[in-house]
Amino acid sequence: LAKTTQPISMDSYEGQEVNITCSHNNIATNDYITWYQQFPSQGPRFIIQGYKTKVTNEVASLFIPADRKSSTLSLPRVSLSDTAVYYCLVGDIMDTGRRALTFGSGTRLQVQP
Amino acid sequence: DAGVTQSPTHLIKTRGQHVTLRCSPISGHKSVSWYQQVLGQGPQFIFQYYEKEERGRGNFPDRFSARQFPNYSSELNVNALLLGDSALYLCASRLAENTGELFFGEGSRLTVL
Repeated sequence: LAKTTQPISMDSYEGQEVNITCSHNNIATNDYITWYQQFPSQGPRFIIQGYKTKVTNEVASLFIPADRKSSTLSLPRVSLSDTAVYYCLVGDIMDTGRRALTFGSGTRLQVQP
Repeated sequence: DAGVTQSPTHLIKTRGQHVTLRCSPISGHKSVSWYQQVLGQGPQFIFQYYEKEERGRGNFPDRFSARQFPNYSSELNVNALLLGDSALYLCASRLAENTGELFFGEGSRLTVL
């Protein structure tokens, strides 16, 4: 099972841009990369999804290089309410040929006033 | 429209017992997946079902099983519970098998004593 790697934690201040990178090898050709946000005792919530290059929505941007072995979530101007754990999700091909969905280890973002 | 609903929200079991967790996906969603989230860690993939067929399985023992019903709801069964099975069990649904946003429920918190 391929491993995804993210920084364990990041600190920022309100109004700053935050970039969180996820490394993922063995991503399947037809798999998308998706980022989720999770608050304590809640299920993860969708932020953004992309396949390659750049995707932007009203809350974030996602940058994916040509080899697709990593992705970077960009939060343009964070606020205190963005304090949460952020996960990247990719699909993997397991040794058995069965498909799995792998969350990254998660990045705990702390936004300070 | 209702989101993904899971039941029960909390439950306590003792070692050796079995448990059944239930999930109702968003109406029209045919893909359901299950995750185990131990406190302080990211969600770990257990199963994915699409159109009532198992499409992915994570690295969990055979004590874990699941199924999807004709109405696309799903059950996760865990037999011979161990203390280490204590976790938040998350269910997610989405329209397609491999693309699109995963919508998560709030989870079932299982405590094994």
